[in-house]
Amino acid sequence: GNSVTQMEGPVTLSEEAFLTINCTYTATGYPSLFWYVQYPGEGLQLLLKATKADDKGSNKGFEATYRKETTSFHLEKGSVQVSDSAVYFCALSSQTSYDKVIFGPGTSLSVIP
Amino acid sequence: DTAVSQTPKYLVTQMGNDKSIKCEQNLGHDTMYWYKQDSKKFLKIMFSYNNKELIINETVPNRFSPKSPDKAHLNLHINSLELGDSAVYFCASSRLGREYEQYFGPGTRLTVT
Repeated sequence: GNSVTQMEGPVTLSEEAFLTINCTYTATGYPSLFWYVQYPGEGLQLLLKATKADDKGSNKGFEATYRKETTSFHLEKGSVQVSDSAVYFCALSSQTSYDKVIFGPGTSLSVIP
Repeated sequence: DTAVSQTPKYLVTQMGNDKSIKCEQNLGHDTMYWYKQDSKKFLKIMFSYNNKELIINETVPNRFSPKSPDKAHLNLHINSLELGDSAVYFCASSRLGREYEQYFGPGTRLTVT
């Protein structure tokens, strides 16, 4: 079945450091890929998306590129801020999973001043 | 102004009790969901409804029953609560055809003692 794997957290970075959170997926067909973010005490919010191979999703300084050859969708940000501290979820959706969104296990990020 | 709201935010109850969590969305969305998030932040879909019709019913105990009185509401009833039901429960909604873009409520933290 379809699934999403993420690097284990927690990840702790200093402010202005470069962020990479790895995400790989297993899916039949051509899934769409997403990153969701969950700030402390809140529900998840869609951060960015990519719907086909080589698409780059971007939002709030975060980027991720859909790499079909490596089945990956790594999240990157050039300079993190304390306000980026949150849990990040990689996710996929495809018609073979009846369009339901399958979430990865989440990666917790803490940014320290 | 809240897009997806849930009540209560916190729920502490004893084993064996029956409880309900309410969810309302004012976005005009057609599809609503219930998710369970465990202590390790792992997110699992439980149910989804589209226009008051059950679409997704994952393997959850039949003590859990969703009820959708109208398109804007999806309530979750839990009978005979068990310790393992302790978790954060999230309601979400999406527009038809954009199931990947889900709007989450703030969550209900359920503690069973």
